[in-house]
Amino acid sequence: EPEVTQTPSHQVTQMGQEVILRCVPISNHLYFYWYRQILGQKVEFLVSFYNNEISEKSEIFDDQFSVERPDGSNFTLKIRSTKLEDSAMYFCASSGEDMNTEAFFGQGTRLTVV
Amino acid sequence: GESVGLHLPTLSVQEGDNSIINCAYSNSASDYFIWYKQESGKGPQFIIDIRSNMDKRQGQRVTVLLNKTVKHLSLQIAATQPGDSAVYFCAENPAGFQKLVFGTGTRLLVSP
Repeated sequence: EPEVTQTPSHQVTQMGQEVILRCVPISNHLYFYWYRQILGQKVEFLVSFYNNEISEKSEIFDDQFSVERPDGSNFTLKIRSTKLEDSAMYFCASSGEDMNTEAFFGQGTRLTVV
Repeated sequence: GESVGLHLPTLSVQEGDNSIINCAYSNSASDYFIWYKQESGKGPQFIIDIRSNMDKRQGQRVTVLLNKTVKHLSLQIAATQPGDSAVYFCAENPAGFQKLVFGTGTRLLVSP
């Protein structure tokens, strides 16, 4: 069964450092997303990406965040200068035709900023 | 505004019982809804979805009901099993937006 894969599973970084979280969406999907989940809280939307550009972003997704699809398979989330409050689980998701089809989520990357 | 909330933060049932998890949403323009299951340390797992032109949709052991009049969504799990223990999130897709808005989650605990 096709799945979304994310690496690393856990990332520990010093405050102020840059991190890149990596995702390989399902191969024939067209829409890609990043969500985050602070421990014990609900899943929050960060950004959606289609046709090599951001289609939507939340207030959380400020200038410190960026996304990229550097090749035909990877989809990355970069945080330029991490803050303590960036500590969370980050989930990548992809969907086929549009948002009104089921979105498949990866297993997440746990980011810990110290 | 847009918000999705859940009525019960924790639901405890006995194995074999039927479970009902409820969700209220506030955006009447949402046209697509999904229930996700999240086990500890894992990503949300798709369970079932429903579009706003439907009232009910059934899957294997699960049924989703949508009441647009009162903006209410429910997930029914038949013959609940210990493996169903997890946190369940409802999520809505506001029409015209490329995103899901998640509820706060309900923890389902199934006792043998």
